[in-house]
Amino acid sequence: GAGVSQSPSNKVTEKGKDVELRCDPISGHTALYWYRQSLGQGLEFLIYFQGNSAPDKSGLPSDRFSAERTGGSVSTLTIQRTQQEDSAVYLCASSSSVGEQFFGPGTRLTVL
Amino acid sequence: GIQVEQSPPDLILQEGANSTLRCNFSDSVNNLQWFHQNPWGQLINLFYIPSGTKQNGRLSATTVATERYSLLYISSSQTTDSGVYFCAVGDRGSTLGRLYFGRGTQLTVWP
Repeated sequence: GAGVSQSPSNKVTEKGKDVELRCDPISGHTALYWYRQSLGQGLEFLIYFQGNSAPDKSGLPSDRFSAERTGGSVSTLTIQRTQQEDSAVYLCASSSSVGEQFFGPGTRLTVL
Repeated sequence: GIQVEQSPPDLILQEGANSTLRCNFSDSVNNLQWFHQNPWGQLINLFYIPSGTKQNGRLSATTVATERYSLLYISSSQTTDSGVYFCAVGDRGSTLGRLYFGRGTQLTVWP
């Protein structure tokens, strides 16, 4: 597609439920990134994919967070047993081998 | 990880004024980007500038990699320039990999 797309744009869930967030990168971009933005923490890195592999997952805050990428394209970020501190905007970015990252519009997650 | 400091944290201008935003970083980098986050939260790419100088309309940027800083210049500011400006850098090891973000500069331009 023309840009990075993410779905859903907004997600409200109850504490303890699982959620899945989706990212469609720019066509042809081999690298894909997840970040999150919250008021107190700024923009935090979560995980980086090169193709379907994740050479850097050091930013995942706990084992409740996982991500996968299939076919070198779409990625899904899953949060299990959501907590209120998981509330944030989750941002996806993609890049070609040049390295410039382009961001999607984000998914706003609210955990009640 | 790399530390990124942006200054000033807040900037209030009247329309037509010029401004300079600064980004200092703690280590050598292979990637440096400037973003504008609009009121809807979208991060808009302004510059990919690991070194050198670039210009795009009223905006220009300079990165002095050897001295570990970058500057973003906004000339003849407009109300639509309001928002948060982020500087982000990547490790020197590769052009790919995570970005480290500064805390941003909140710019408000009054008519």
